[in-house]
Amino acid sequence: ETGVTQSPTHLIKTRGQQVTLRCSSQSGHNTVSWYQQALGQGPQFIFQYYREEENGRGNFPPRFSGLQFPNYSSELNVNALELDDSALYLCASSSRRDNEQFFGPGTRLTVL
Amino acid sequence: GQQVMQIPQYQHVQEGEDFTTYCNSSTTLSNIQWYKQRPGGHPVFLIQLVKSGEVKKQKRLTFQFGEAKKNSSLHITATQTTDVGTYFCAAGDSNYQLIWGAGTKLIIKP
Repeated sequence: ETGVTQSPTHLIKTRGQQVTLRCSSQSGHNTVSWYQQALGQGPQFIFQYYREEENGRGNFPPRFSGLQFPNYSSELNVNALELDDSALYLCASSSRRDNEQFFGPGTRLTVL
Repeated sequence: GQQVMQIPQYQHVQEGEDFTTYCNSSTTLSNIQWYKQRPGGHPVFLIQLVKSGEVKKQKRLTFQFGEAKKNSSLHITATQTTDVGTYFCAAGDSNYQLIWGAGTKLIIKP
């Protein structure tokens, strides 16, 4: 088991609502990456935070935003939810030393 | 941007047969990582390869990085039911981000 936790485990929202997902990083890691994984697909990179600053972003619209806190935990916020946002959202923590990513169990988001 | 192509998408094998998945890039990779994701689970780090021509073994798993650092493979000898899952390669870029392949799903035939 990694030391990465995510909350909540599951979430059901309706179109147009907003959601906040949370991730705690593993001790000693200062980098958090967020991914969206649709059923049967590989993880799609959303963005990465390093020392509280966004450090790269994938092909996701601005309604996907994030934060990293001084303890390196992180939040992913999604505004104006769409049906296609239904997916497993994974966060992974890492350090710059080796960039090995440790994943949390994910949050399963369903948008109705 | 950089892309990593992974094949095949699925591989069905009888228990005891071998399994191989391949990753290819059109550009030179600085490093490549391999992850396994069990059904219903999250990706779990297996290994990172950095050097040209590198070969690493973990019990029945053999990982290779090509001489030109543009391709990599994962080979499993004598598959077992515990090997079931999807295997992903992910290339590290200069910004400490990973570019993921689409994954190869290993299915053991009953």
